[in-house]
Amino acid sequence: GDSVTQMEGPVTLSEEAFLTINCTYTATGYPSLFWYVQYPGEGLQLLLKATKADDKGSNKGFEATYRKETTSFHLEKGSVQVSDSAVYFCALHQGNTGKLIFGQGTTLQVKP
Amino acid sequence: DAGVIQSPRHEVTEMGQEVTLRCKPISGHDYLFWYRQTMMRGLELLIYFNNNVPIDDSGMPEDRFSAKMPNASFSTLKIQPSEPRDSAVYFCASSLAGNSNQPQHFGDGTRLSIL
Repeated sequence: GDSVTQMEGPVTLSEEAFLTINCTYTATGYPSLFWYVQYPGEGLQLLLKATKADDKGSNKGFEATYRKETTSFHLEKGSVQVSDSAVYFCALHQGNTGKLIFGQGTTLQVKP
Repeated sequence: DAGVIQSPRHEVTEMGQEVTLRCKPISGHDYLFWYRQTMMRGLELLIYFNNNVPIDDSGMPEDRFSAKMPNASFSTLKIQPSEPRDSAVYFCASSLAGNSNQPQHFGDGTRLSIL
């Protein structure tokens, strides 16, 4: 079945460091892909999305490129801030059901 | 525009009591999802509705859990009787029909503690 795998956390970085959170997926067809972010005490918020191969989603300095060849959608940011500390979820849209299939989440801690 | 609204934000109750969680989806959205989040299991999909009809309840853990959607603007998740292992954060989310470009929008969740 469809699935999403994210790198294990927590990821701990210093402010202004480069961030990569790996995400790979298994799916039939070419689903839309999403990154969600969850700040402490809040629900999940859409961070960015890509709907077809080679699309790049971007928002708030974060980017991710839909790579069909490697079935990946890695999240990157050039310079993280303390305020980026949160849990990040990669997800794919399962077209035949309307469901989102989520990865297990990766906790990011950014230290001053 | 108002987002997904959940109530209550926090609920603390004793084991054996009935718990009712409420959700108001974004107006015009016709998919509604209930999730549970715990440290041990992460984010789990419990049940989802399309046009007020339950489509898949395979994630509902036991018969103690039930969900209804009497109309397009309201849904409930009930636990009766509640147990300490039901303690978790419960999220409701909504989205537009079947369009993979449309994301799910999440509420802020209900933090449930069963003593």
